[in-house]
Parts: sequence; structure tokens; C-alpha cells
Amino acid sequence: DADVTQTPRNRITKTGKRIMLECSQTKGHDRMYWYRQDPGLGLRLIYYSFDVKDINKGEISDGYSVSRQAQAKFSLSLESAIPNQTALYFCATSVPGPRSPDTQYFGPGTRLTVL
Amino acid sequence: DQQVKQNSPSLSVQEGRISILNCDYTNSMFDYFLWYKKYPAEGPTFLISISSIKDKNEDGRFTVFLNKSAKHLSLHIVPSQPGDSAVYFCAASALDFGNEKLTFGTGTRLTIIP
Repeated sequence: DADVTQTPRNRITKTGKRIMLECSQTKGHDRMYWYRQDPGLGLRLIYYSFDVKDINKGEISDGYSVSRQAQAKFSLSLESAIPNQTALYFCATSVPGPRSPDTQYFGPGTRLTVL
Repeated sequence: DQQVKQNSPSLSVQEGRISILNCDYTNSMFDYFLWYKKYPAEGPTFLISISSIKDKNEDGRFTVFLNKSAKHLSLHIVPSQPGDSAVYFCAASALDFGNEKLTFGTGTRLTIIP
């Protein structure tokens, strides 16, 4: 079974609709992240959470919100989807270690298309 | 402003030869550099990293070289195998208000030709 799961894997929606992408993990990690990948732009950080009570904006948080319902669950919402939010979305988890970057473990991704 | 750049979107290499993937960065505050590998329909997976205080780190067929003065790193894969065909992302880590953040490059698609 996958350690980091994302639902749905694919979604097509219309402009103005509210949509939620969900991420669940069984790794027991405290830290969770949401990224989006666009062609030619790599992965960009949307939001991250270091524990259930901690939510932080990433570099491209406008138009998005998140909810950390439990240690294992981190949801990303698009309140009113727009076409330029069409992208591949990844959830990731990590656990802090000694002073070296956390290794991040990624889910399989959600391909979102906004028409 | 792209702080981490991978200028080659794609690379094709014969099986058994060396694959060299390049990455340039602009931020002197980056203190760790990482490579992630991504297969289609899967999330990226961690491959290898290097601290900014080192110039080389090796793990099996994979070696990462860091040239701080040139703000350049490269990933060498020797020998290249068909299973190495994937997209490779370079990433750099820096502390941002006490929190560690990764900045990713745009990726290089490596194709190993049998």
C-alpha cells in the first residue's frame, strides 16, 4: 500500500467551482506539503504544515486554502477554480532529522483541469 | 525569478554510457542540494543529496558534484540503464524564517536508449 495517497487522481472541473484535493499518509510524519507542477516551471510550494496546529503559506498560496484535519490528513481547496490553476498537484510528507534537509516523500499526484 | 535552473529540458543517452544532468542556482544561501527522480504517473522520489560544504557525494551509480564558485551542480549516472529513464529534478534547500524550504528546478527528461 502507498504511504502517501492522493484523491482524486484526476479531476476536471469548471471555472468558479469549489474543489478539494485530499492527501492521506500512513508514514506518521508531522510535516506535510502541497506543491503544484506546471510545464517549464518545476514544482512550486503552495502551503505546508509542520504539525496539526501549524499552517504556512508557500510561494504561490493565492487562490488556495488548506486544512490539516489530523496528523495524517492535509487537504487543499480551491475556493473558486480558474483555468490557470490547471496543473499537476503533489502532496508530500517529511519528518525532521538532524540538520540536513528533510527527505520529502511524495504522493502520486492529482491532475486537475479547470475548464 | 528562477533560483534553481535546469537548462536542458531533455537528454538522450545510450545504455551503458554516462548521463550528466546539470543544474545552476543563484541563491548563495542554499545549504543543501538534492536530486529527485520522477516516473510518469508517480510522485518524485528522493535520489541523492549533497551538503554545500562538500564537493562530491556518491551513492552507487549516482554521483553528485557541487561547484560552489560556479553555483553549479551535476548528477552523473554511470553506467546508465533503461530504468533510469525519468524526469530528474534538482532542488535546493535554505532556511526561510527558521523553516527549511525546497526550491525545485524545472526538470530534465532523461531517456536511456537501449
